[in-house]
Amino acid sequence: GENVEQHPSTLSVQEGDSAVIKCTYSDSASNYFPWYKQELGKRPQLIIDIRSNVGEKKDQRIAVTLNKTAKHFSLHITETQPEDSAVYFCAASKGGQAGTALIFGKGTTLSVSS
Amino acid sequence: GAVVSQHPSWVICKSGTSVKIECRSLDFQATTMFWYRQFPKQSLMLMATSNEGSKATYEQGVEKDKFLINHASLTLSTLTVTSAHPEDSSFYICSASKTGDLGYTFGSGTRLTVV
Repeated sequence: GENVEQHPSTLSVQEGDSAVIKCTYSDSASNYFPWYKQELGKRPQLIIDIRSNVGEKKDQRIAVTLNKTAKHFSLHITETQPEDSAVYFCAASKGGQAGTALIFGKGTTLSVSS
Repeated sequence: GAVVSQHPSWVICKSGTSVKIECRSLDFQATTMFWYRQFPKQSLMLMATSNEGSKATYEQGVEKDKFLINHASLTLSTLTVTSAHPEDSSFYICSASKTGDLGYTFGSGTRLTVV
């Protein structure tokens, strides 16, 4: 089955700096790669996603890149703000296929200090 | 947008009792419901996948007789933790999807504490 590795487990940056979180996946059939932000005790919140037919996607300060050959994808947050502090999870799935679950990485705790 | 309502949001039960958690898709038909468990400071771990009208498929290491999943309709799935023990204390969260749709909609989660 799919296995998703995520690094780093913790990341501390100064306000205004950029943050990068990297994930690798094992199943070459995976085609959907979302990123979630989770606050303590709450549901994961989708912040951006990318499909396998796209190499990069950007939404304001957040961008995701995908390298299908290397089977890795990354989250880039620019101009970080204290409210970006949270746990971030990457995930992968064979999206669109019935009954295909999201498999999550272990998470990255991002701390943005002002 | 798609909404999944999960209840209860938190529950405390005595060791040996059973607890039922419900997830309802409010504005769409959930072809598939996924159940995850999340221990403190850990990731979401897939427990089982259930398709409407079919038996759930459990991940390796998850006891199917302990975690009973029912997905009798396209809008309701339930997870029953039977004979709960303190080690079952965790955050349980459901996620719904529909065939052909890339998106996943998460419930708000249930914090289970077994004392």
